[in-house]
Amino acid sequence: DTAVSQTPKYLVTQMGNDKSIKCEQNLGHDTMYWYKQDSKKFLKIMFSYNNKELIINETVPNRFSPKSPDKAHLNLHINSLELGDSAVYFCASSQGQIYGYTFGSGTRLTVV
Amino acid sequence: EDQVTQSPEALRLQEGESSSLNCSYTVSGLRGLFWYRQDPGKGPEFLFTLYSAGEEKEKERLKATLTKKESFLHITAPKPEDSATYLCAVHPPPGTYKYIFGTGTRLKVLA
Repeated sequence: DTAVSQTPKYLVTQMGNDKSIKCEQNLGHDTMYWYKQDSKKFLKIMFSYNNKELIINETVPNRFSPKSPDKAHLNLHINSLELGDSAVYFCASSQGQIYGYTFGSGTRLTVV
Repeated sequence: EDQVTQSPEALRLQEGESSSLNCSYTVSGLRGLFWYRQDPGKGPEFLFTLYSAGEEKEKERLKATLTKKESFLHITAPKPEDSATYLCAVHPPPGTYKYIFGTGTRLKVLA
């Protein structure tokens, strides 16, 4: 199936731990994104890569570090997790930046 | 500041009761306006892109329209399976790259 797939779907971890979320798309898109959706369902851009080049780097704590090994993969590493990091993180991809995005199904991160 | 506002925040309709959702924006040089549907526990699903005032797009019971200041998502004779959160997003002028999402309208269609 062609899609944007992200793993894991659920992640429960303790404060202070380091964790990673992985994302892969097989749509042949050249741009990938990480979004954070808070409890009020507001989607906020965090990072975007176009052909492995970082093009959007929003004001997020530097504990968050994206990495794009190739244009089909975009991972998100989070150091020293805090309670406030609990949210749903979505990966998305698009061909260029003015077309609709294809989103993954999300990773629900809970920090306890 | 560029902004996207959706209304109402929540809407309950009886099956077959048509209505419209609103997305108003304050963005200069709009390059595109997008509508998405999000079901609980899932990622947003792309519905439509509108690029210029006067443009309309249709898909089943949904019809999206665009003016210079707002977009409407018209739902004709909705069914319970249309229940979801509907999000709109705008793509700002060149050089900024970033979508701006609205906070969504939660639609519930009762049988």
